Amino acid sequence: AQSVTQLGSHVSVSEGALVLLRCNYSSSVPPYLFWYVQYPNQGLQLLLKYTSAATLVKGINGFEAEFKKSETSFHLTKPSAHMSDAAEYFCAVSDRGGYNKLIFGAGTRLAVHP
Amino acid sequence: ETGVTQSPTHLIKTRGQQVTLRCSSQSGHNTVSWYQQALGQGPQFIFQYYREEENGRGNFPPRFSGLQFPNYSSELNVNALELDDSALYLCASSSGLAGDQETQYFGPGTRLLVL
Repeated sequence: AQSVTQLGSHVSVSEGALVLLRCNYSSSVPPYLFWYVQYPNQGLQLLLKYTSAATLVKGINGFEAEFKKSETSFHLTKPSAHMSDAAEYFCAVSDRGGYNKLIFGAGTRLAVHP
Repeated sequence: ETGVTQSPTHLIKTRGQQVTLRCSSQSGHNTVSWYQQALGQGPQFIFQYYREEENGRGNFPPRFSGLQFPNYSSELNVNALELDDSALYLCASSSGLAGDQETQYFGPGTRLLVL
């Protein structure tokens, strides 16, 4: 069965610093992987997704993620944090059961300090 | 293009009561999924509807039920509410064309508090 582990429930960075949010997956088949962001009192917004076309995936708001099969990882990065990036970030894997069920990690809350 | 909308935004119920949550899917989407997000956790899949039929179900008891209408809007019904049902309920719609790699578009959620 597919699963996702997000290392670090809270990450704090300074404005302008590198953002690195970690995600490891477990899947018995080639995975489809997603990163979503959730701002306070809002639903989830897709940042990017990996569907096997390219291992480095670029998303919205300057975020990107690299799929590394050997490490079973799909870490999210952004070169320079902005105050507006403060939010909760969720990594998810598609269940591959034929009906597009997403399995989410527990989330990482990103704080950005001036 | 109208995104996914949900109503109500907030709801307070007491234990044992029943609740109905509503979702309007994004224009052109025929698939709706429901997720429960407990405080401090990631969303958990409840079930999915495709063209008015239940298309898959997560590990939730039968007192969680749903409907999808001909216009592809959807309802989530929860009977015999328990305190642990307090959560943010998220609805997501998708086009039903790309299978497992499809993007799901989420609504803002309904926050349910059970007292």
